[in-house]
Amino acid sequence: DADVTQTPRNRITKTGKRIMLECSQTKGHDRMYWYRQDPGLGLRLIYYSFDVKDINKGEISDGYSVSRQAQAKFSLSLESAIPNQTALYFCATSDSTNTGELFFGEGSRLTVL
Amino acid sequence: AQSVSQHNHHVILSEAASLELGCNYSYGGTVNLFWYVQYPGQHLQLLLKYFSGDPLVKGIKGFEAEFIKSKFSFNLRKPSVQWSDTAEYFCAVNVWGSQGNLIFGKGTKLSVKP
Repeated sequence: DADVTQTPRNRITKTGKRIMLECSQTKGHDRMYWYRQDPGLGLRLIYYSFDVKDINKGEISDGYSVSRQAQAKFSLSLESAIPNQTALYFCATSDSTNTGELFFGEGSRLTVL
Repeated sequence: AQSVSQHNHHVILSEAASLELGCNYSYGGTVNLFWYVQYPGQHLQLLLKYFSGDPLVKGIKGFEAEFIKSKFSFNLRKPSVQWSDTAEYFCAVNVWGSQGNLIFGKGTKLSVKP
């Protein structure tokens, strides 16, 4: 089983719908991240959390929100999805040693029509 | 702001050709450096990393990278590529004291022709 699990893996939705992407991890890491990947743009950080009560905005947080329900769970919400949020979303974890090394989930492909 | 530049968007090679993918970063302090690989339809996996010590780092599948501090570079190399190396490669930098957040380059897509 994957150490970092994302659900759903694929989702097609319509403009204006609320969408939640979920991430859970069994690595025991304190830090969790949500990234968005777009062709030619690489990975961009949406939100990150260093602990259950810690939430931080990343480079592109507008239009997104997150919830850190437990050490092992970090969910990303799109309150009202729009077509330019069509992308591949990755959850990642890291330990607290500040090395920067990330462990990625398998990705959630979201299409907003 | 710190940034990471990958010089090539798409590289096309024949099998057995040598590979070098460029990566430069824009921060003058101490950094940790990474190369991640994303095979088609898969998630990112760590290829190799540099924290300190020998600037020539060896990773999985015959890849290596050299950290040249004076050039702010961390280029990825492989002497002889295989069709199975077809993937997208991402360079990433962690600046010490930045709470561990990685800054990613935009990626280089490698296509290897059989």
